[in-house]
Amino acid sequence: NAGVTQTPKFRVLKTGQSMTLLCAQDMNHEYMYWYRQDPGMGLRLIHYSVGEGTTAKGEVPDGYNVSRLKKQNFLLGLESAAPSQTSVYFCASSSGGLDRGRRYNEQFFGPGTRLTVL
Amino acid sequence: AQRVTQPEKLLSVFKGAPVELKCNYSYSGSPELFWYVQYSRQRLQLLLRHISRESIKGFTADLNKGETSFHLKKPFAQEEDSAMYYCALSQETSGSRLTFGEGTQLTVNP
Repeated sequence: NAGVTQTPKFRVLKTGQSMTLLCAQDMNHEYMYWYRQDPGMGLRLIHYSVGEGTTAKGEVPDGYNVSRLKKQNFLLGLESAAPSQTSVYFCASSSGGLDRGRRYNEQFFGPGTRLTVL
Repeated sequence: AQRVTQPEKLLSVFKGAPVELKCNYSYSGSPELFWYVQYSRQRLQLLLRHISRESIKGFTADLNKGETSFHLKKPFAQEEDSAMYYCALSQETSGSRLTFGEGTQLTVNP
């Protein structure tokens, strides 16, 4: 049971290049998320998905696209990378089930992808 | 809109001393609050959620709705507690999204 995995772990891009980050989870979770982590700003939600075939914008979606073709995978794409997208990217998943009458919101995180855009 | 504030970016204490990491929030609904911890070179992991009312690794946190706070406390800090701590608030709707605070880097000195 690997939990949440991310590919790649590190990447260096030139301005204008494109790339896709892959997130996979083996916990049969409905909900998946992409965050970026920047010093002094915490984690900010980029996009999220509440089920296979669905996606929605988070707090900082500009410059990113996502797809959830399979329940276990959530892809984050950068079509034309910019230096402002230099960051550490975290994927997370959540069951979305109920616990004591409330939506169970614990999120499980991947190890992160460190992206540098030159 | 919801917001989570952690006023201290850095916090340094000595081993055995009490520690309190502050977290304040603003949210119009019924909040669900979490503390996540990130040890050096590791992924984020859940430390506490207010709905569980547990004590994990000696840490406790009480939700104070009057003061809109969810401070994390430990009476006797240990060196292995050194880490980045994030307070987070979950929205009831829209996919259980989390709003994170800026984080507090805790250093426990020997």
